[in-house]
Amino acid sequence: EVQLLESGGGLVQPGGSLRLSCAASGFTFGTSAMNWVRQAPGKGLEWVAAISGSGSTTYYADSAKGRFTVSRDNSKNTLYLQMNSLRAEDTAVYYCAKDAVAGLFDSWGQGTLVTVSS
Amino acid sequence: DIQMTQSPSTLSASVGDRVTITCRASQSISTWLAWYQQKPGKAPKLLIYKASNLQSGVPSRFSGSGSGTEFTLTISSLQPDDLATYYCQQYNIYPMTFGQGTKVEIK
Repeated sequence: EVQLLESGGGLVQPGGSLRLSCAASGFTFGTSAMNWVRQAPGKGLEWVAAISGSGSTTYYADSAKGRFTVSRDNSKNTLYLQMNSLRAEDTAVYYCAKDAVAGLFDSWGQGTLVTVSS
Repeated sequence: DIQMTQSPSTLSASVGDRVTITCRASQSISTWLAWYQQKPGKAPKLLIYKASNLQSGVPSRFSGSGSGTEFTLTISSLQPDDLATYYCQQYNIYPMTFGQGTKVEIK
């Protein structure tokens, strides 16, 4: 059974940084592309970033470019999202999601809440 | 970016009703269209992929159709467990984009 477990969320001040983690199990992590998708309180879903299985290729939403960095450690079966220069509008539940094929999310974690506020 | 527009934003229907949700893409995405169900307080769940393919384990009352720019999700006989928000998503090209969601309420 695929399991994705996010951690690292919390309260951070505007301009601050946070690193999210997603621990994966139940599938061959190193050959699966992975994604971060977020959902602001009471709002819809927004794709944030994707990374290939090897980690050599990454994609970002415009809202994340230059501030967020997606990475992975295949030896630890873990996906990361480094978030810098955080803004109030980054407040959201952040989900990690596994690709079935490029951009199709067949498994999701339970999410971790990031709150950006002074 | 490809814009995805869903209608309606909210719908209220009775148990046993046939329910249809529409999703329109701002440009052709062939059949690279997925539907997700999100129950309150939970993560989204994949229902339909490639416009009309049912994900394993999803009840057969759910079906999808369409191609190009117009797509529909149909629930043939609404059940109480279907209370949720439904999102369409295109995966034709990055950035992946979602519709704004359709909240399904039970009368």
